[in-house]
Amino acid sequence: DTGVSQNPRHKITKRGQNVTFRCDPISEHNRLYWYRQTLGQGPEFLTYFQNEAQLEKSRLLSDRFSAERPKGSFSTLEIQRTEQGDSAMYLCASSLAVWTETYEQYFGPGTRLTVT
Amino acid sequence: SQQGEEDPQALSIQEGENATMNCSYKTSINNLQWYRQNSGRGLVHLILIRSNEREKHSGRLRVTLDTSKKSSSLLITASRAADTASYFCATVSLGNQFYFGTGTSLTVIP
Repeated sequence: DTGVSQNPRHKITKRGQNVTFRCDPISEHNRLYWYRQTLGQGPEFLTYFQNEAQLEKSRLLSDRFSAERPKGSFSTLEIQRTEQGDSAMYLCASSLAVWTETYEQYFGPGTRLTVT
Repeated sequence: SQQGEEDPQALSIQEGENATMNCSYKTSINNLQWYRQNSGRGLVHLILIRSNEREKHSGRLRVTLDTSKKSSSLLITASRAADTASYFCATVSLGNQFYFGTGTSLTVIP
């Protein structure tokens, strides 16, 4: 257990439905990242936050994807109008960053999304 | 596309042997990190090497970094069956974004 939790662990949804995932990072960490991972591939970066500010979102997969970190603590990732191609593991990670130094990431167990 | 690329894609060795994995990347980095992932689980950080470092050790792990060749290697000495996992390198760009490679799948045969 790294201290990063994700809920739910598994989500099965029908195509066209909206889904929301939650990530609770390690409390002292100011950075929070979202990734997507498909079978046999490495994690694919989606977006990240420093405190409550979303510093990079251009790599979100489409405008159906959005993320928030309202108070700089937990974060949510929402996928609207899900498609079968969205089926994947969604990983959250947190880390500490000081000035220009970025340290190691601590990953949660992931949320496995299946779109039927 | 992902920046880091690991080589080989798969590696199978006998317990007690050493395992070496390589990672190549394309642009300037802040640091490079190696992670391990057991099947169906989240990633676990192994070791971080900064761009101004050339070699780092942690237990049975040894990482090298050659910024002129934009490459890194991870050596696991005296491998154990429990080392069976996928290993990923992650480059951290100057803009603090993480780029993961496709990973090396390591199997250690008891």
